[in-house]
Parts: sequence; C-alpha cells; structure tokens
Amino acid sequence: GESVGLHLPTLSVQEGDNSIINCAYSNSASDYFIWYKQESGKGPQFIIDIRSNMDKRQGQRVTVLLNKTVKHLSLQIAATQPGDSAVYFCAENREKGGSEKLVFGKGTKLTVNP
Amino acid sequence: DAGITQSPRHKVTETGTPVTLRCHQTENHRYMYWYRQDPGHGLRLIHYSYGVKDTDKGEVSDGYSVSRSKTEDFLLTLESATSSQTSVYFCAISDRQSDTQYFGPGTRLTVL
Repeated sequence: GESVGLHLPTLSVQEGDNSIINCAYSNSASDYFIWYKQESGKGPQFIIDIRSNMDKRQGQRVTVLLNKTVKHLSLQIAATQPGDSAVYFCAENREKGGSEKLVFGKGTKLTVNP
Repeated sequence: DAGITQSPRHKVTETGTPVTLRCHQTENHRYMYWYRQDPGHGLRLIHYSYGVKDTDKGEVSDGYSVSRSKTEDFLLTLESATSSQTSVYFCAISDRQSDTQYFGPGTRLTVL
C-alpha cells in the first residue's frame, strides 16, 4: 500500500472478483490498525479496524488480516462492485513522544471494471 | 456519516493573505485534527486538539495555527498563505486518541 513518488499503486479487477489490497507497517509496537476508503472528491471513510490481539476481522464483504510477524496488513473485498472503486489506505496507531498518533499509508487505487 | 462539516469547501486566495478554515462537529468528540493531503504524501497531521483551548503540533505545523474555543469548533489559520500551502485540508474527530478518526468532506485550498 505504499506509493512511490506521485503515483499510487493501482489494482484493477473485474466486477464480481475478489480484491486484495496490501499494506506494510513499520512499528512493531503499533496496536491498532484501520482501513479507510476515499472516493474522488470526498473525505476518507472508515471501513474496518483491527487490534493487534486479533489476526482477522470480518465485516460486510470486507475482511482485514493482520500478520504481526511480517508487519503486514491486508484488506480483502469480496465480490467487488463498481462502487468499490476508490483509493484505499491503511492507518496504524503509533505511540510517539508519549502520545498516540495515527500514521497513514499513501494508498492504493482500486479500479473495478464492469 | 459522522456529523462533521467543513467550511468553506473550496477557496482560492492570493499569496500573503490570511485564511481561516472551519471544522464543526456535532458528535461531542474530545479530539479534533487538521490534516493536509497532497499527492505522494498521503495524510499529514498539521495540528490537533484534545479539548477546549488544548492544542498540539503535528508533523507539518509550520505556517499554521489553530484555535478551539468550543468543543464543536476547530479553526485552522494560515496567517500568510503561501503557494506551498495549496492542498486539500481535512478535519477529523475521535472520542479518544487511540480510537478511529472520522473525517469531514475536506476543503480544497488554492494559493495563487
């Protein structure tokens, strides 16, 4: 889920297929993770979250997997629909200087082809 | 949608002019945040507030100031706007610092 320069990683899928969006995080002490969806011209929208004491959490058509060993987070979207087209980014809750901050990845652009 | 509004939604201004962006929430959340979003950088924290009149700097606070005189309102001020402050600005709220943040619709600011 990390971008290089100005270009976001992209994922293009066919309508009805499953999508998997990945995110690497850097701080092994991070204990809370969130996936957001951002449609063009809109603010980020909460999708699903997971705490570090869990490996998997399911929502409606979405599943988040957390692999703490390799510090990897993934978002799975089942039966992807055109309305799922958006930029998806992860956030980790990181302790810094005695306070907690959400640190955001740069995102992955998902395009769903009809 | 979380009860967060931002105003204005779009603004074009000239270098050197002061600009104030407003965030208003109806959720009575304690924490409020201002972020900017630029291509290649993702969301970066400018300032945040943990209560009325309690604020702290984020990672890109230079050139910005904030104020929170009421629980529901968080203002971001650019004292003298520069072209590097052209960006999309998002306000967010959360009940606790470790909780999910919910975002407003954003303000697109262009500094000419």
